[in-house]
Amino acid sequence: SQTIHQWPATLVQPVGSPLSLECTVEGTSNPNLYWYRQAAGRGLQLLFYSVGIGQISSEVPQNLSASRPQDRQFILSSKKLLLSDSGFYLCAWSLQVNTEAFFGQGTRLTVV
Amino acid sequence: KQEVTQIPAALSVPEGENLVLNCSFTDSAIYNLQWFRQDPGKGLTSLLLIQSSQREQTSGRLNASLDKSSGRSTLYIAASQPGDSATYLCALSTNAGKSTFGDGTTLTVKP
Repeated sequence: SQTIHQWPATLVQPVGSPLSLECTVEGTSNPNLYWYRQAAGRGLQLLFYSVGIGQISSEVPQNLSASRPQDRQFILSSKKLLLSDSGFYLCAWSLQVNTEAFFGQGTRLTVV
Repeated sequence: KQEVTQIPAALSVPEGENLVLNCSFTDSAIYNLQWFRQDPGKGLTSLLLIQSSQREQTSGRLNASLDKSSGRSTLYIAASQPGDSATYLCALSTNAGKSTFGDGTTLTVKP
């Protein structure tokens, strides 16, 4: 069966520090991968999605970037965090575009 | 641009009651609609997926319907239990796998 792992679960970082959140999927090949951010009490906003290695699409202009160095690995990064980057970040995968999506357990990022 | 609205934002019901959660959307050109459950501080758990060509899906006590012409979906929960307490999110998928989420309905089922 397929599983998705996302870490760390929580992270507190100072303003101006770098960020690296990692997400890996097991049990499938060539998944579509997604990074979402969820503001408190709100729905999810799509940040990045990838349909293959090295293929990254950005949905909103922001202080973050994403990379996909391996088929089942998706990384969310920042060179210098801002206070406004605080939030709940969720990684997701789907087998194909427009099929059922499965989510990781999320990372609670607090920038102080 | 797709807009997704979930009403009510919060709902409290006594245990055993049947209930309906609503999701409305503005663009009917969708590929699928997915209902999720989110427990506090956790990720999303997929409940039901309705493809664009389908009208409803059922899983246990849950039934989701889709009416593209009216831009509405409902999630029906039968015989609610305290363990059903969570936030329920609907998401609509358009081209390239992009999903637009509603802000969710937070359900509390009181024993």
